[in-house]
Amino acid sequence: ETGVTQSPTHLIKTRGQQVTLRCSSQSGHNTVSWYQQALGQGPQFIFQYYREEENGRGNFPPRFSGLQFPNYSSELNVNALELDDSALYLCASSLEGTSGNTIYFGEGSWLTVV
Amino acid sequence: AQSVTQLGSHVSVSEGALVLLRCNYSSSVPPYLFWYVQYPNQGLQLLLKYTTGATLVKGINGFEAEFKKSETSFHLTKPSAHMSDAAEYFCAVRGDNNNDMRFGAGTRLTVKP
Repeated sequence: ETGVTQSPTHLIKTRGQQVTLRCSSQSGHNTVSWYQQALGQGPQFIFQYYREEENGRGNFPPRFSGLQFPNYSSELNVNALELDDSALYLCASSLEGTSGNTIYFGEGSWLTVV
Repeated sequence: AQSVTQLGSHVSVSEGALVLLRCNYSSSVPPYLFWYVQYPNQGLQLLLKYTTGATLVKGINGFEAEFKKSETSFHLTKPSAHMSDAAEYFCAVRGDNNNDMRFGAGTRLTVKP
C-alpha cells in the first residue's frame, strides 16, 4: 500500500474521445508524475507536476495534458484518443527536495481505446 | 540523459535457485538506481534503491542489489527463489537533477516448482 490512489481503475473509450484520469498523492508528497505503460513495456514518463506547475515533460504530444491541485492531487487529460493510447497509466508521487527521493506508484488506470 | 538496459526479457529459475536479474545503466550524473516489481494487473512496488553510500543495497522479500560504478551495473539478486517471486521486474535510473525516472523494458521472472 503506497498511499497513491488512482481512478478509475478500468475504462473503455472510443477513438477521438477525451479522457480524464485522477490521482491522489501520498500524504505529504508535493510532486506527482504520470507514466504510460504499454503492454509488455516499461513505463514511459509523460510529465511531472510540482506545486501546480508542469516541471518536466517526456516525449508525448500536447494532447496529453495535466493539472495539479492545491492539495497535490492531479489529473491526466488525453484528447483525441488514438488506438495506441491504450495502456496502463500510472501516477506516482514523491517529495521533491529530498536527495534520492523515492517515487511511489499507484495501482494504475487501465485505458482501452476502441 | 539517463537510461537503463535490462539484459534478458525472460528469466526462468527453479524454486530455491539463485535469482539474478541484470541491469546496466547510462548516466552523465551520479545516478539514483531503483528496482521495482510488478505483479499481474498491479502497479509498481519498490524493491530497493541506491542513492549514495553503501553499494550493496538490501530490499524487501530477500532481494539485494549491488551498485558497481566501474561496470555501470546494478544487478538484482536473491539467494533462493520462491514461487511468489514470479513477476515482472523493472530497473530504473534517475539523476539528482532530473525530474523523471527512466525504466528498462522489464524482465519477466518465472519460478518453476
